[in-house]
Amino acid sequence: GAGVSQSPRYKVAKRGQDVALRCDPISGHVSLFWYQQALGQGPEFLTYFQNEAQLDKSGLPSDRFFAERPEGSVSTLKIQRTQQEDSAVYLCASSPRTTGGMNTEAFFGQGTRLTVV
Amino acid sequence: AQSVTQLGSHVSVSEGALVLLRCNYSSSVPPYLFWYVQYPNQGLQLLLKYTTGATLVKGINGFEAEFKKSETSFHLTKPSAHMSDAAEYFCAVSESGGGADGLTFGKGTHLIIQP
Repeated sequence: GAGVSQSPRYKVAKRGQDVALRCDPISGHVSLFWYQQALGQGPEFLTYFQNEAQLDKSGLPSDRFFAERPEGSVSTLKIQRTQQEDSAVYLCASSPRTTGGMNTEAFFGQGTRLTVV
Repeated sequence: AQSVTQLGSHVSVSEGALVLLRCNYSSSVPPYLFWYVQYPNQGLQLLLKYTTGATLVKGINGFEAEFKKSETSFHLTKPSAHMSDAAEYFCAVSESGGGADGLTFGKGTHLIIQP
């Protein structure tokens, strides 16, 4: 596709419900990132994939959060037993390279707004 | 460890006036610096980035930013504000160019344009 696509755009979950958020990165992009953006805050790093390998999950707030990218393209962020503090916009970004440099840019999707009630 | 501080959660300017959004960073290595813009219910769009070389960086929509190592700053400016510039702006730092270590963002500055 032309850009990073995330679905659903909006999700309302009852407290305790499990949710799955999908990210379709730009075709061929090696790196994929998940960020959490709470209301009125900047995005915060959750996890990073290089192809199918999850190389950094240091930002995941608890063991209720789980991410996967089994074939090195589409990624899913799963949140088990959702809590009200999980309410946020979840942003996915992809990048064509694994390391920095002048030609590296992370392209962001529009995000999924999760509201836990 | 890296961090970003954006001074002023809200900045209001008149249409046609100078826009100045402040960003200071800390980084243990020479940083890569970014400014992103976010319109309501949209994702982040890259405005400009500093990697190496020229310290004055020009971006889209008439924005530019200057990397000042001595001041650890990367302030964003635009000579003349337009109503369409109203949005949330985020400064970000990376120690690997936005690659493997991702980006560390500031809390954002909401830019308000007065007619």
